[in-house]
Amino acid sequence: DIQMTHSPSSLSASVGDTVTISCRASQNIRTYLNWYQKKPGEAPKLLISDASSLQNGVPSRFSGSGSGTDFTLTIRSLQLEDFATYYCQQRSATPPTFGPGTKVEIK
Amino acid sequence: QVQLVESGGGVVQPGRSLKLSCEASGFTFSSYAINWVRQAQGKGLEWLAVISSDGRNEHYADSVKGRFTISRDSSKNTVFLQMRSLRAEDSAVYYCAKDSSAFGDYDFVHWGHGTLVTVSS
Repeated sequence: DIQMTHSPSSLSASVGDTVTISCRASQNIRTYLNWYQKKPGEAPKLLISDASSLQNGVPSRFSGSGSGTDFTLTIRSLQLEDFATYYCQQRSATPPTFGPGTKVEIK
Repeated sequence: QVQLVESGGGVVQPGRSLKLSCEASGFTFSSYAINWVRQAQGKGLEWLAVISSDGRNEHYADSVKGRFTISRDSSKNTVFLQMRSLRAEDSAVYYCAKDSSAFGDYDFVHWGHGTLVTVSS
Protein backbone atom coordinates (compact mmCIF):
# COMPACT_ATOMS: atom_id res chain seq x y z
CA ASP A 1 0.00 0.00 0.00
CA ILE A 2 1.09 3.59 -0.59
CA GLN A 3 1.84 5.34 2.69
CA MET A 4 1.02 9.00 3.13
CA THR A 5 2.64 11.25 5.70
CA HIS A 6 1.91 14.79 6.80
CA SER A 7 3.98 17.55 8.25
CA PRO A 8 3.45 19.08 10.64
CA SER A 9 0.96 16.92 12.54
CA SER A 10 -0.47 20.07 14.05
CA LEU A 11 0.07 23.80 13.95
CA SER A 12 -1.21 26.90 15.68
CA ALA A 13 -2.05 29.95 13.64
CA SER A 14 -3.96 33.20 13.82
CA VAL A 15 -6.74 34.53 11.66
CA GLY A 16 -5.16 36.16 8.64
CA ASP A 17 -2.06 33.96 8.63
CA THR A 18 -0.88 31.88 5.71
CA VAL A 19 -0.35 28.23 6.55
CA THR A 20 1.32 25.49 4.56
CA ILE A 21 0.76 21.78 5.06
CA SER A 22 2.96 19.19 3.45
CA CYS A 23 2.06 15.68 2.39
CA ARG A 24 4.45 13.02 1.14
CA ALA A 25 3.69 9.76 -0.61
CA SER A 26 5.84 6.65 -0.25
CA GLN A 27 5.99 6.32 -4.03
CA ASN A 28 5.27 8.32 -7.14
CA ILE A 29 1.55 9.09 -7.36
CA ARG A 30 1.88 11.68 -10.15
CA THR A 31 -0.86 14.19 -9.32
CA TYR A 32 -3.44 11.71 -7.99
CA LEU A 33 -3.66 13.57 -4.72
CA ASN A 34 -6.72 14.99 -2.98
CA TRP A 35 -7.04 17.29 0.03
CA TYR A 36 -9.94 17.12 2.51
CA GLN A 37 -11.03 19.32 5.37
CA LYS A 38 -12.55 17.55 8.38
CA LYS A 39 -14.34 19.19 11.28
CA PRO A 40 -15.63 17.29 14.34
CA GLY A 41 -19.11 15.91 13.78
CA GLU A 42 -19.07 16.69 10.08
CA ALA A 43 -18.32 14.66 6.98
CA PRO A 44 -15.01 15.29 5.24
CA LYS A 45 -15.10 17.94 2.55
CA LEU A 46 -13.09 17.60 -0.65
CA LEU A 47 -11.18 20.83 -1.19
CA ILE A 48 -8.70 20.04 -3.93
CA SER A 49 -8.44 17.15 -6.35
CA ASP A 50 -5.60 16.08 -8.59
CA ALA A 51 -3.12 18.04 -6.49
CA SER A 52 -4.21 21.51 -7.58
CA SER A 53 -7.81 21.58 -8.85
CA LEU A 54 -10.03 23.59 -6.54
CA GLN A 55 -13.46 22.10 -6.06
CA ASN A 56 -16.53 24.17 -6.89
CA GLY A 57 -17.47 26.44 -4.03
CA VAL A 58 -14.15 26.17 -2.21
CA PRO A 59 -12.67 29.61 -1.46
CA SER A 60 -9.72 30.65 -3.56
CA ARG A 61 -7.58 31.12 -0.44
CA PHE A 62 -7.05 27.36 -0.64
CA SER A 63 -4.49 26.12 -3.12
CA GLY A 64 -2.58 22.94 -3.77
CA SER A 65 0.60 22.07 -5.55
CA GLY A 66 3.02 19.25 -6.12
CA SER A 67 3.52 16.08 -8.08
CA GLY A 68 5.27 12.78 -7.71
CA THR A 69 5.78 12.32 -3.98
CA ASP A 70 5.66 15.80 -2.47
CA PHE A 71 2.57 17.95 -2.18
CA THR A 72 1.51 21.14 -0.43
CA LEU A 73 -1.77 22.64 0.70
CA THR A 74 -1.65 26.38 1.29
CA ILE A 75 -4.32 28.41 3.05
CA ARG A 76 -3.90 32.13 2.66
CA SER A 77 -5.54 34.64 4.99
CA LEU A 78 -6.77 31.97 7.39
CA GLN A 79 -10.38 32.40 8.47
CA LEU A 80 -12.12 31.17 11.63
CA GLU A 81 -13.97 28.50 9.67
CA ASP A 82 -10.66 27.06 8.43
CA PHE A 83 -9.65 25.70 11.82
CA ALA A 84 -9.97 21.99 11.20
CA THR A 85 -7.97 18.89 10.38
CA TYR A 86 -6.69 18.49 6.85
CA TYR A 87 -6.02 15.15 5.18
CA CYS A 88 -4.29 14.27 1.98
CA GLN A 89 -5.39 11.15 0.12
CA GLN A 90 -3.77 9.35 -2.78
CA ARG A 91 -5.93 7.82 -5.46
CA SER A 92 -3.14 6.50 -7.63
CA ALA A 93 -3.62 2.92 -6.49
CA THR A 94 -6.01 0.66 -4.64
CA PRO A 95 -6.37 0.91 -1.71
CA PRO A 96 -6.71 4.67 -1.61
CA THR A 97 -4.90 5.86 1.49
CA PHE A 98 -5.12 8.95 3.65
CA GLY A 99 -2.42 10.74 5.52
CA PRO A 100 -2.69 10.98 9.32
CA GLY A 101 -3.87 14.57 9.08
CA THR A 102 -2.69 18.02 10.11
CA LYS A 103 -4.72 19.79 12.77
CA VAL A 104 -4.87 23.55 12.36
CA GLU A 105 -5.60 25.16 15.70
CA ILE A 106 -6.19 28.71 16.80
CA LYS A 107 -3.18 30.39 18.34
CA GLN B 1 -28.84 17.35 -4.97
CA VAL B 2 -26.73 14.34 -4.08
CA GLN B 3 -27.66 12.81 -0.75
CA LEU B 4 -26.21 9.82 1.03
CA VAL B 5 -27.80 8.68 4.26
CA GLU B 6 -26.17 6.02 6.39
CA SER B 7 -28.01 3.95 8.96
CA GLY B 8 -27.62 0.78 10.97
CA GLY B 9 -24.98 1.83 13.43
CA GLY B 10 -25.20 1.07 17.11
CA VAL B 11 -23.60 -0.80 19.98
CA VAL B 12 -22.62 -4.40 19.29
CA GLN B 13 -20.68 -6.99 21.25
CA PRO B 14 -17.27 -8.18 20.07
CA GLY B 15 -17.57 -11.08 17.67
CA ARG B 16 -21.07 -10.16 16.55
CA SER B 17 -22.30 -8.79 13.23
CA LEU B 18 -23.85 -5.55 12.06
CA LYS B 19 -25.13 -4.36 8.70
CA LEU B 20 -24.89 -0.74 7.64
CA SER B 21 -26.94 0.85 4.89
CA CYS B 22 -26.28 3.84 2.67
CA GLU B 23 -29.33 5.16 0.84
CA ALA B 24 -28.50 7.35 -2.13
CA SER B 25 -30.52 9.96 -4.00
CA GLY B 26 -30.04 12.88 -6.34
CA PHE B 27 -27.92 11.10 -8.93
CA THR B 28 -28.03 8.11 -11.25
CA PHE B 29 -27.25 5.40 -8.72
CA SER B 30 -26.39 2.78 -11.33
CA SER B 31 -23.62 4.94 -12.79
CA TYR B 32 -21.35 5.36 -9.79
CA ALA B 33 -19.24 3.29 -7.48
CA ILE B 34 -19.78 3.72 -3.76
CA ASN B 35 -17.17 3.52 -1.03
CA TRP B 36 -17.14 3.07 2.74
CA VAL B 37 -14.68 5.05 4.86
CA ARG B 38 -14.43 5.14 8.63
CA GLN B 39 -12.92 7.31 11.32
CA ALA B 40 -12.25 6.01 14.80
CA GLN B 41 -12.40 8.47 17.67
CA GLY B 42 -9.27 10.59 17.63
CA LYS B 43 -7.92 8.83 14.56
CA GLY B 44 -7.65 9.55 10.88
CA LEU B 45 -9.71 8.48 7.89
CA GLU B 46 -9.51 4.88 6.74
CA TRP B 47 -10.90 3.64 3.44
CA LEU B 48 -12.60 0.28 3.78
CA ALA B 49 -14.26 -0.88 0.59
CA VAL B 50 -15.60 0.05 -2.84
CA ILE B 51 -18.25 -1.53 -5.02
CA SER B 52 -18.53 -0.79 -8.71
CA SER B 53 -21.59 0.76 -10.27
CA ASP B 54 -22.82 -2.59 -11.57
CA GLY B 55 -22.04 -4.39 -8.35
CA ARG B 56 -19.70 -6.86 -10.05
CA ASN B 57 -16.42 -5.65 -8.62
CA GLU B 58 -15.38 -5.01 -5.05
CA HIS B 59 -12.17 -4.14 -3.28
CA TYR B 60 -11.41 -4.15 0.42
CA ALA B 61 -8.82 -2.82 2.81
CA ASP B 62 -6.69 -5.57 4.33
CA SER B 63 -7.98 -4.62 7.78
CA VAL B 64 -11.51 -5.77 6.90
CA LYS B 65 -10.98 -8.29 4.10
CA GLY B 66 -12.77 -11.52 4.89
CA ARG B 67 -14.88 -9.91 7.62
CA PHE B 68 -16.74 -7.13 5.80
CA THR B 69 -18.80 -7.46 2.63
CA ILE B 70 -20.02 -4.59 0.50
CA SER B 71 -23.08 -4.98 -1.70
CA ARG B 72 -25.67 -2.87 -3.47
CA ASP B 73 -29.33 -3.06 -4.34
CA SER B 74 -30.20 -0.95 -7.35
CA SER B 75 -33.93 -1.35 -6.73
CA LYS B 76 -33.47 0.48 -3.42
CA ASN B 77 -30.60 2.80 -4.40
CA THR B 78 -28.81 1.44 -1.39
CA VAL B 79 -25.33 0.15 -0.62
CA PHE B 80 -24.72 -2.13 2.32
CA LEU B 81 -21.74 -2.98 4.47
CA GLN B 82 -22.12 -6.31 6.24
CA MET B 83 -19.67 -6.43 9.12
CA ARG B 84 -18.85 -9.72 10.86
CA SER B 85 -16.57 -10.78 13.69
CA LEU B 86 -16.49 -7.25 14.95
CA ARG B 87 -13.63 -6.11 17.15
CA ALA B 88 -13.19 -3.20 19.50
CA GLU B 89 -10.92 -1.55 16.93
CA ASP B 90 -13.83 -1.48 14.47
CA SER B 91 -15.50 1.15 16.63
CA ALA B 92 -15.76 4.26 14.48
CA VAL B 93 -18.00 6.58 12.54
CA TYR B 94 -18.71 4.91 9.20
CA TYR B 95 -19.25 7.07 6.14
CA CYS B 96 -20.35 6.14 2.66
CA ALA B 97 -18.90 8.23 -0.13
CA LYS B 98 -19.91 8.46 -3.76
CA ASP B 99 -17.12 7.83 -6.21
CA SER B 100 -16.57 10.05 -9.24
CA SER B 101 -16.80 7.16 -11.69
CA ALA B 102 -18.33 3.75 -12.23
CA PHE B 103 -15.44 2.08 -10.50
CA GLY B 104 -12.82 3.21 -8.06
CA ASP B 105 -11.47 6.62 -9.08
CA TYR B 106 -11.58 7.48 -5.39
CA ASP B 107 -12.54 11.13 -5.71
CA PHE B 108 -14.87 11.48 -2.73
CA VAL B 109 -16.89 14.61 -3.43
CA HIS B 110 -20.11 13.51 -1.75
CA TRP B 111 -20.31 11.94 1.68
CA GLY B 112 -23.04 10.87 4.04
CA HIS B 113 -23.29 12.21 7.56
CA GLY B 114 -21.93 8.99 9.05
CA THR B 115 -23.24 6.34 11.42
CA LEU B 116 -21.54 5.44 14.69
CA VAL B 117 -20.57 1.86 15.41
CA THR B 118 -19.42 0.94 18.91
CA VAL B 119 -18.07 -2.52 19.56
CA SER B 120 -18.16 -3.17 23.27
CA SER B 121 -19.20 -5.83 25.73
